[in-house]
Amino acid sequence: DIQMTQSPSSLSASAGDRVTITCRASQNIITYLNWYQQKPGKAPNLLIYAASSLQSGVPSRFSGSGSGTDFALTISSLQPEDFATYYCQQSYGTPRTFGQGTKVEIK
Amino acid sequence: EEQLLESGGGLVQPGGSLRLSCAASGFIFSTYGMSWVRQAPGKGLEWVSTISGTGGSTHYADSVKGRFTILRDNSKNTLYLQMNSLRAEDTAIYYCAKDVYYDSSGFWGQGTLVTVSS
Repeated sequence: DIQMTQSPSSLSASAGDRVTITCRASQNIITYLNWYQQKPGKAPNLLIYAASSLQSGVPSRFSGSGSGTDFALTISSLQPEDFATYYCQQSYGTPRTFGQGTKVEIK
Repeated sequence: EEQLLESGGGLVQPGGSLRLSCAASGFIFSTYGMSWVRQAPGKGLEWVSTISGTGGSTHYADSVKGRFTILRDNSKNTLYLQMNSLRAEDTAIYYCAKDVYYDSSGFWGQGTLVTVSS
């Protein structure tokens, strides 16, 4: 199975900050990497697919980068509604493993 | 407007069975793969199973293989998850999701809670 390791597991930031979350795959997944946002009590929401493609309706302050084994999600200017937990997921093969999540909290 | 509506969750004893349903609307159901993803209380996301649009291809997490079966009825626009031999560690919110580009889960239902406890 492909293991996905996210870092950090949590971070504190202020509105307006630039935030980067990283995700490392245990083997080459080319660009089969997706990012989701989940708010408490809600279903996850797809932000980025194929490592860097922005899902329709997602604000442009979210961006994704990387290929192979190392990936990143960047929020260029953190907004109050962005405080949530973020997950990466590989869809290169099954099982479609998720990272353990990164909780973004208000500083 | 796309909708996914899960149902069938509840309290079940260890060793018991439960069948979850996910009613889809607002898109051509038969042309999309569908997945189940679960989340134990206070924990992260865990992919459970995926089925192709025709139903001819299925995949399972090792943790549920041999106990869970994913099914779909394209005439009813409904996805199912038949869960047998349930264990306490299967306790979770179960989400159905529509697979989109690069097999990402592009649209999710609101989830249904399954609690396995005596």
